[in-house]
Amino acid sequence: GAGVSQSPRYKVTKRGQDVALRCDPISGHVSLYWYRQALGQGPEFLTYFNYEAQQDKSGLPNDRFSAERPEGSISTLTIQRTEQRDSAMYRCASSSGQAWNTEAFFGQGTRLTVV
Amino acid sequence: AQSVAQPEDQVNVAEGNPLTVKCTYSVSGNPYLFWYVQYPNRGLQFLLKYITGDNLVKGSYGFEAEFNKSQTSFHLKKPSALVSDSALYFCAVRLYGSSNTGKLIFGQGTTLQVKP
Repeated sequence: GAGVSQSPRYKVTKRGQDVALRCDPISGHVSLYWYRQALGQGPEFLTYFNYEAQQDKSGLPNDRFSAERPEGSISTLTIQRTEQRDSAMYRCASSSGQAWNTEAFFGQGTRLTVV
Repeated sequence: AQSVAQPEDQVNVAEGNPLTVKCTYSVSGNPYLFWYVQYPNRGLQFLLKYITGDNLVKGSYGFEAEFNKSQTSFHLKKPSALVSDSALYFCAVRLYGSSNTGKLIFGQGTTLQVKP
């Protein structure tokens, strides 16, 4: 696609429910990142994929959070048994290749609200 | 620990005046430095990056940034501000090296307000 696409744009869920957030990266981009951004803060790293391999999940806050990218393209971030503290903007980014000098392109994000 | 600091929550400038948004970083290796801008209800947009070479890098919309290794700074600048530049600006650092996965570490963000 022309840019990184995330869906849904907004998600309101009840505490205890599971949610799945989707990211469709720019076509051909091998690197995919998930970030979480609280209000008034900068984005914080959650996890990184190189093709389908999850190479870094050090930023996932606990085992309720998981992510996958089974075919090396679309990725899903899943939060189980959501809690109010999970409310945030979740951002996905992709970049071409693994070169550290390539910029990452971000999607518009999914605003998650847990009530 | 690696970190990025943006010491100003908000910068106010009159249209037509030069602007500076400050950023300092703390890393143990060679940094790659980036600036992103976030407009309301939009995603983060890439502005510019410093990889190597000239300390002054030019980017989108007339923005530029100066890398200063001795002061560990990467301030964003523009000679003449526009009202449309009003937005939230993020500085970010990426570490170089095989043990790093290229994740970006962001500052807290600085709101730029350009008044007519």
